Amino acid sequence: DAGITQSPRHKVTETGTPVTLRCHQTENHRYMYWYRQDPGHGLRLIHYSYGVKDTDKGEVSDGYSVSRSKTEDFLLTLESATSSQTSVYFCAISEDRRNYGYTFGSGTRLTVV
Amino acid sequence: RKEVEQDPGPFNVPEGATVAFNCTYSNSASQSFFWYRQDCRKEPKLLMSVYSSGNEDGRFTAQLNRASQYISLLIRDSKLSDSATYLCVVFPSGGSYIPTFGRGTSLIVHP
Repeated sequence: DAGITQSPRHKVTETGTPVTLRCHQTENHRYMYWYRQDPGHGLRLIHYSYGVKDTDKGEVSDGYSVSRSKTEDFLLTLESATSSQTSVYFCAISEDRRNYGYTFGSGTRLTVV
Repeated sequence: RKEVEQDPGPFNVPEGATVAFNCTYSNSASQSFFWYRQDCRKEPKLLMSVYSSGNEDGRFTAQLNRASQYISLLIRDSKLSDSATYLCVVFPSGGSYIPTFGRGTSLIVHP
């Protein structure tokens, strides 16, 4: 399997606190993505990156920010966590944006209480 | 019409059965298509790409029908281990490299 790891795997945090999730890849892929998955909604794109320091918003970006200072790391920050951000967060990487599909990390289960 | 639509199921089939799922897409210019498999509480994993000429991988066959704008996944001789949610993924044409995921079709294979 492709080398992609997410940390932490599980987290419980309080409303209003900042939270940072990390995605680390060893594949040197150019494209990285953050998704959230919720029942009834499927996978929804939060932010994505097409290179170091090159990022853009997805369809559900409000309340989230990202940074990519190195090819291998893509960080997702919840600036002030809310209960609506309780979800499973998946990072994905892609070598070629259309022809090879994605490889997903194992996910982070985040609970905001 | 949603961009990518799948019947959520669940499809409940006995071992050994043949089952097929369809996924319709609205953008006629869509370029690349994939099927992913997601087990309960796990990440999606690439199952197979979908080519215009159709492609087969063991018991799995994927096909693309551009005229009717759908892709299909056929599973023959179902195994208990095939129980999962199957997601279709459609990549647009042109400069965008953001795909659209279907919400998935749940398959339950019982003894």
